Amino acid sequence: AQSVSQHNHHVILSEAASLELGCNYSYGGTVNLFWYVQYPGQHLQLLLKYFSGDPLVKGIKGFEAEFIKSKFSFNLRKPSVQWSDTAEYFCAVNDPGGFKTIFGAGTRLFVKA
Amino acid sequence: SAVISQKPSRDICQRGTSLTIQCQVDSQVTMMFWYRQQPGQSLTLIATANQGSEATYESGFVIDKFPISRPNLTFSTLTVSNMSPEDSSIYLCSVVGQNNEQFFGPGTRLTVL
Repeated sequence: AQSVSQHNHHVILSEAASLELGCNYSYGGTVNLFWYVQYPGQHLQLLLKYFSGDPLVKGIKGFEAEFIKSKFSFNLRKPSVQWSDTAEYFCAVNDPGGFKTIFGAGTRLFVKA
Repeated sequence: SAVISQKPSRDICQRGTSLTIQCQVDSQVTMMFWYRQQPGQSLTLIATANQGSEATYESGFVIDKFPISRPNLTFSTLTVSNMSPEDSSIYLCSVVGQNNEQFFGPGTRLTVL
């Protein structure tokens, strides 16, 4: 069965610090990979996605993620965080045919101004 | 993109009662899903709402507790039956649009007393 593991439940950073959130998945076949963000009081928004091609994908708001197939990882990065990046971040995976998306437990990011 | 609306946006219900949540999409979609996000937790897939046939439930979820209707390609309902405080959660409708992108509704925040 598919599963998604996010390494950190809570991360606290100061503004301008670099961010990397870990995500590993368990699935034997081809997958689609996603990062979603949920700002306080708002609903989920897609940050970025990987289906195929260049394993380094760029998303909105300066976020990027790298798919490393050999490590079953899809870590999210941002070179310099802002206070407005305070939110919860979810890594997710689905298989191209099934569309059933499985979510990780989420990482709560708090950025200190 | 797909625009999803849900009704009600929130409700407070008494133990033992039932609540039906509606999900409306602004375009025809094949795949519709219902998720639950319990307080402080990630999203858990409840079921896939299939048009013209019974919903497909994930492990731990049953039709008697969460009956689902899908009368057409733009609408679905989820009923939370015989509610208990453990059912307090945010219930989200989701669809897969073109390019395999998944969209989420704003959620229905349910509190069971």
